[in-house]
This record gives sequence, structure tokens and C-alpha cells, in this order.
Amino acid sequence: GAGVSQSPSNKVTEKGKDVELRCDPISGHTALYWYRQSLGQGLEFLIYFQGNSAPDKSGLPSDRFSAERTGGSVSTLTIQRTQQEDSAVYLCASSLHRGTGVRETQYFGPGTRLLVL
Amino acid sequence: KQEVTQIPAALSVPEGENLVLNCSFTDSAIYNLQWFRQDPGKGLTSLLLIQSSQREQTSGRLNASLDKSSGRSTLYIAASQPGDSATYLCAVFQGAQKLVFGQGTRLTINP
Repeated sequence: GAGVSQSPSNKVTEKGKDVELRCDPISGHTALYWYRQSLGQGLEFLIYFQGNSAPDKSGLPSDRFSAERTGGSVSTLTIQRTQQEDSAVYLCASSLHRGTGVRETQYFGPGTRLLVL
Repeated sequence: KQEVTQIPAALSVPEGENLVLNCSFTDSAIYNLQWFRQDPGKGLTSLLLIQSSQREQTSGRLNASLDKSSGRSTLYIAASQPGDSATYLCAVFQGAQKLVFGQGTRLTINP
């Protein structure tokens, strides 16, 4: 079956512009995560969605970052007024969610490479 | 705050050798530990997931162990092949629904 897909695969933008990154999770996966991978920082958690629950936004680095998940499927990560330090690979992952106390394997998309000039 | 460390940062070995990658974490209160590989310019591929109640998991030539009390995991790769060249990442699931990653070990298998 299809894996996690992300678009665009690459994005170059100018400082100060807004960008939107899209993630299509694996069908049937109710949990969706966004991570950021930047040089020198490794992979860091940004935000987590589970079903209709309020998202865990604890990893978002500033209020310029926001994300939504419509209809429990596709998610969009928005970065407003981009800065050069936002340049990174943004990875999306999805997983099943069988209940509290169980942590399922996360499946990752190929990522979106964002370059802010 | 959970910290995950991977040693070595880079490793280069001849084809055919068995090798071990190391991962340590500071807080043993984890749900599970997951090993991934990442190829250049690509996303992450899940290799093995070890639940906190388990000691090891095996998949083909890969074997991962977990010692929660000492905060350590190892990934053993048997009979290495050039196609195993990639960056290997370990990550722990702790508390909230998120993974905390190590910095990775960049592995090169020389033909």
C-alpha cells in the first residue's frame, strides 16, 4: 500500500514569506506527527495529532509555526514570515493508535526540504 | 529531559564484517525504542521496534537489544553489505506521543 507522502519535495522561499507543507498519512493511521531535521540539531519533534483530540503542540519553536489536520487525514504545516533558521527538512510520520499505553511504529514520509534565502 | 546519544558518530568497515551500533538514553522510563535507517536525501525507514518489556528483536541480519535499566540499546548487523551504508538513528518513545532521537551513526560499508 501507499506510504506517507509529502509535498512539495523541495521548497525555496525568500525570508519573510509564508510556506505551507503538506502531509498525506497512511490510510487508516489516526496518529500524525511532524518533525524537523536540521544540521547540527538532529531530528526534533514539532507537533502530534491523534484523532479528534487537541494536538500536542509542545515542540513548535515559535508562534510562526502552526499545523492543522482536516478530516483526520491530510495535515498542513504552515510557517509564517520564514527565517533563514527555518531551513531544514520537515518530516511527517503516521502510525496506528491502539490506545493509551501502546506506542506504535511510526512510518515516515520522504520529507520536504525547505531553504529560506 | 530525555537525551539520546549514539556512538560512534561515524563508522567505516569492510564488507562482510559484523558490527555493533550503540545507543544510550538518560531516562529509563520509556515505552519503547525504535531503530531507523536514513539514506541520503530520503526519509526514515523503520528497522526494529523494541517494547520496554522486551530484551531484543530480530529482523533478518539485524538484531536489536534493549537494557532499560542501564539505558542502553545496541543494533547488531551481521555480515554487512554495501547496501547497509546509511545513517542509523535510534529513538525512544517516552511519555507523550513523540520520539526523541539520537544524532545518528553514519555507517559506510566498503566493498
